[in-house]
Amino acid sequence: DQQVKQNSPSLSVQEGRISILNCDYTNSMFDYFLWYKKYPAEGPTFLISISSIKDKNEDGRFTVFLNKSAKHLSLHIVPSQPGDSAVYFCAARTNAGKSTFGDGTTLTVKP
Amino acid sequence: GAGVSQTPSNKVTEKGKYVELRCDPISGHTALYWYRQSLGQGPEFLIYFQGTGAADDSGLPNDRFFAVRPEGSVSTLKIQRTERGDSAVYLCASSPGTVNSPLHFGNGTRLTVT
Repeated sequence: DQQVKQNSPSLSVQEGRISILNCDYTNSMFDYFLWYKKYPAEGPTFLISISSIKDKNEDGRFTVFLNKSAKHLSLHIVPSQPGDSAVYFCAARTNAGKSTFGDGTTLTVKP
Repeated sequence: GAGVSQTPSNKVTEKGKYVELRCDPISGHTALYWYRQSLGQGPEFLIYFQGTGAADDSGLPNDRFFAVRPEGSVSTLKIQRTERGDSAVYLCASSPGTVNSPLHFGNGTRLTVT
């Protein structure tokens, strides 16, 4: 039973447009959510996070939205840039410490 | 500053052999995690250390897998009697251990069991 799901394996957008990556979860005990970005042959790097007590967190071009009732979060990137092309992982955590990851969405930003 | 270091970066071994994978976390990070990533999937949790002790080893798939962190810094993931299904990228991550601190990942060890 996969507790964190990213249903879109891939997404392609034009440079300058908005990228929206989605993530759904099933465990209501998750109280902290993170997005990581991964380039080939490298480990994931932290991008942005949100606590379950908030519904939005913004950092520059990146905004994460959380809808607790729907158990859904999304990452918005605007404007998208070619350097944003990577695999994006959604992760969720309980206060027990470990993070559970989705299978990732490969974003391609076309110049 | 130095990030999380994992050695070797690649390891090829024969089925049935024993392997050790090493992780050197960021200095001062008390929490250390091991994940395994197969092609097309996200990182899968294996084990989490807080200091020297394993706080959660619920992700270890069976008793062929074992990890240690004897001095609360460097950690070694040990796999006995390797099987072809163990082939994956093994990721190590560390964090300061404070509430809601993100993980800092190494570049992983790609293990191939032939």
